[in-house]
Amino acid sequence: EAQVTQNPRYLITVTGKKLTVTCSQNMNHEYMSWYRQDPGLGLRQIYYSMNVEVTDKGDVPEGYKVSRKEKRNFPLILESPSPNQTSLYFCASSLSPGYTDTQYFGPGTRLTVL
Amino acid sequence: SQKIEQNSEALNIQEGKTATLTCNYTNYSPAYLQWYRQDPGRGPVFLLLIRENEKEKRKERLKVTFDTTLKQSLFHITASQPADSATYPCAPRDNYGQNFVFGPGTRLSVLP
Repeated sequence: EAQVTQNPRYLITVTGKKLTVTCSQNMNHEYMSWYRQDPGLGLRQIYYSMNVEVTDKGDVPEGYKVSRKEKRNFPLILESPSPNQTSLYFCASSLSPGYTDTQYFGPGTRLTVL
Repeated sequence: SQKIEQNSEALNIQEGKTATLTCNYTNYSPAYLQWYRQDPGRGPVFLLLIRENEKEKRKERLKVTFDTTLKQSLFHITASQPADSATYPCAPRDNYGQNFVFGPGTRLSVLP
């Protein structure tokens, strides 16, 4: 089954404790991205990747890191999480960033930073 | 800067009626525009894509229009059902943009 998976689905952590949220897709998609969603707001893109070893900042990249060492994986790293990073996070992938780039989203990761 | 606006307030309609949702954009020249559906706590799901040279696109009970002069897209759900209750974000896209920007979405409630 074609899908985007994220782990963990729920995470409660404390300020400053480094964490990684994994994202994996099995559709051989070139383009992957991370979004955060806060109550009452739309999705905001954090980082995206056009292909292996190619990453770029989205609209809200501060406090986050990503890497793309393999085509299927795109982990999101929070080196020193802070309470304002409490949010719902989505990973997404698409075949390419061309005009037919339908995004396929993962199930989401709900992060709470105390 | 680029801006996408959608109805900020929830839209409540009676079952069986047609729901019309609006997506307005500024400082964009999109080559196409996508509409998604998002249920609470879940990732968006792609519904329809319309290109700049298409005035209208249909898929079952869904219809999308695209007016590049008004810088607006309308999303219609005919014969609405309670199961259509969700948030619907739009995403204008150009052919060259690498980042992806979504509108805030309109929350639709279809009342039985």
